[in-house]
Amino acid sequence: AQSVTQLGSHVSVSEGALVLLRCNYSSSVPPYLFWYVQYPNQGLQLLLKYTSAATLVKGINGFEAEFKKSETSFHLTKPSAHMSDAAEYFCAVSVDRGSTLGRLYFGRGTQLTVWP
Amino acid sequence: ETGVTQTPRHLVMGMTNKKSLKCEQHLGHNAMYWYKQSAKKPLELMFVYSLEERVENNSVPSRFSPECPNSSHLFLHLHTLQPEDSALYLCASSQMGTDTQYFGPGTRLTVL
Repeated sequence: AQSVTQLGSHVSVSEGALVLLRCNYSSSVPPYLFWYVQYPNQGLQLLLKYTSAATLVKGINGFEAEFKKSETSFHLTKPSAHMSDAAEYFCAVSVDRGSTLGRLYFGRGTQLTVWP
Repeated sequence: ETGVTQTPRHLVMGMTNKKSLKCEQHLGHNAMYWYKQSAKKPLELMFVYSLEERVENNSVPSRFSPECPNSSHLFLHLHTLQPEDSALYLCASSQMGTDTQYFGPGTRLTVL
């Protein structure tokens, strides 16, 4: 069975500080992994995705994530937080690779607060 | 319009009302999804349509009835809902053979 665990439902950082949002997955086959961001009253926007190419994936807004198979992790980082980064972040896994229809399994989300 | 659009953005309805949510994708995709997002819970996949055929229904109560008349449009018909159905309903689309889904802004539904 596949699942996603996001450690910490709330993370607070100061503006300019490092952002680290944790995601661990469980999958019986090599997964595709995603990070989505949701701003208030909006839908989910794709930040970045890992699809078995480079293990360090760069996304939009200065975010990046590293796939670590040995740790079954896909943590999201940004070197310097900005006020505009305040949002909810969702990690997701897809294991239906090769099928005609991918299915995403989401974590519960992590709310990021950025203090001035 | 670009991407995935949803209307209305907000909806308040009584338990005896009948209403519909609309989703339209402008990405040329051939798969569409309905998700329910409730507070403190993970996103719940409700329905999946592939090439306008329903391919997944995750034990959703019959008071939710989806319709996909063509590959660009997806509806969710609502009737006799319960207060616990209040949530953000998100539509997404993707191209079959890929895993990336693109989401609309959602409809915030409140059932009184």
